[in-house]
Amino acid sequence: GENVEQHPSTLSVQEGDSAVIKCTYSDSASNYFPWYKQELGKGPQLIIDIRSNVGEKKDQRIAVTLNKTAKHFSLHITETQPEDSAVYFCAASWGSNDYKLSFGAGTTVTVRA
Amino acid sequence: ETGVTQTPRHLVMGMTNKKSLKCEQHLGHNAMYWYKQSAKKPLELMFVYNFKEQTENNSVPSRFSPECPNSSHLFLHLHTLQPEDSALYLCASSQDLTDTQYFGPGTRLTVL
Repeated sequence: GENVEQHPSTLSVQEGDSAVIKCTYSDSASNYFPWYKQELGKGPQLIIDIRSNVGEKKDQRIAVTLNKTAKHFSLHITETQPEDSAVYFCAASWGSNDYKLSFGAGTTVTVRA
Repeated sequence: ETGVTQTPRHLVMGMTNKKSLKCEQHLGHNAMYWYKQSAKKPLELMFVYNFKEQTENNSVPSRFSPECPNSSHLFLHLHTLQPEDSALYLCASSQDLTDTQYFGPGTRLTVL
């Protein structure tokens, strides 16, 4: 199966600063990389995803970059706000099976006002 | 709300009990999933159903028994569980097996 490592496990940033979370994966055939945000008492919600034929994708304050050669991808949140505080998970598909996701252990992001 | 509901939200059961978790999606999706989320561990895929047919069993112990009577409903039948099975059980659905997965809020299970 796929092995996904996520760093850091916790991240505290000042409101307005940027936050970066990094993930590495082991299966070079992986082609789908979603990012999920989980707030307390809720299930994970997709915030952005990227496929292996794209190197970067942006949606307002959120961006994801993918380096297939190095097998790592990153989430960038700019101009952080208190509502960005949550646990963030990266995931990678098992080879070409988009529905079989292996998740990272999560990053707890705290945005200080 | 994501359109995926789960009941109950919390469940406490003894090791000899039999209980069931229910998931319902109102999104018209064809694929449904069960995940286990334990403290300090990544989400683990347990089962996948597509058009009511099981397409994936990720080496889950037989004390967990899924059932998918139609594309909108998914159950997880539990019996003779162990304390280490205590976790948050998440249901998800997607339009098809290549589409975004939408998660429910989960059932927090405690096995005594």
